[in-house]
Amino acid sequence: DAKTTQPPSMDCAEGRAANLPCNHSTISGNEYVYWYRQIHSQGPQYIIHGLKNNETNEMASLIITEDRKSSTLILPHATLRDTAVYYCIVRPFGSGNTGKLIFGQGTTLQVKP
Amino acid sequence: DAGITQSPRHKVTETGTPVTLRCHQTENHRYMYWYRQDPGHGLRLIHYSYGVKDTDKGEVSDGYSVSRSKTEDFLLTLESATSSQTSVYFCAISWDSTGELFFGEGSRLTVL
Repeated sequence: DAKTTQPPSMDCAEGRAANLPCNHSTISGNEYVYWYRQIHSQGPQYIIHGLKNNETNEMASLIITEDRKSSTLILPHATLRDTAVYYCIVRPFGSGNTGKLIFGQGTTLQVKP
Repeated sequence: DAGITQSPRHKVTETGTPVTLRCHQTENHRYMYWYRQDPGHGLRLIHYSYGVKDTDKGEVSDGYSVSRSKTEDFLLTLESATSSQTSVYFCAISWDSTGELFFGEGSRLTVL
């Protein structure tokens, strides 16, 4: 499975956009990019995923570069409740795939008033 | 919220005793996973299941076994608990191999 690289921590001012980068330079053509977050000691929560096109949902936007070697998760208007650890994960799809997610260290996002 | 229940939520036990953690789902999802989370290590996959009686090892499976005799239950067993297995254990479920994982609330295990 491809590996990801994320900065260990980031700060963001409340109300501003939070842009969380992820490098996945060894991603394969049959791998999605997924983002999850974990707030304090809760179980991780799904945010968004994409293959090669930009994606947007009610929580965030995902921008994937054309070569698919990196991506950025955007929280458009960060709130204090968005303080969490954010995980970028690449995950294969296709016949025989078991769906497992392998988590890295993630980025700790601190949203400040 | 996805119907996932982990039990027990908290357990303290002694080294050498057997421990079983249960993950119960009401969603009829095919895939189920057990993770552990420790400071400095993040979430690590222990075992997973892709159907009844179909299980496989994850990243850190030594010292753990699993069973899935019916769709709704995925059991994680520590045959002889050690202090290194003190951790928070999370169960997750997924409808298919590309769907989002829904996580339970976690089970905190302390092995003295």
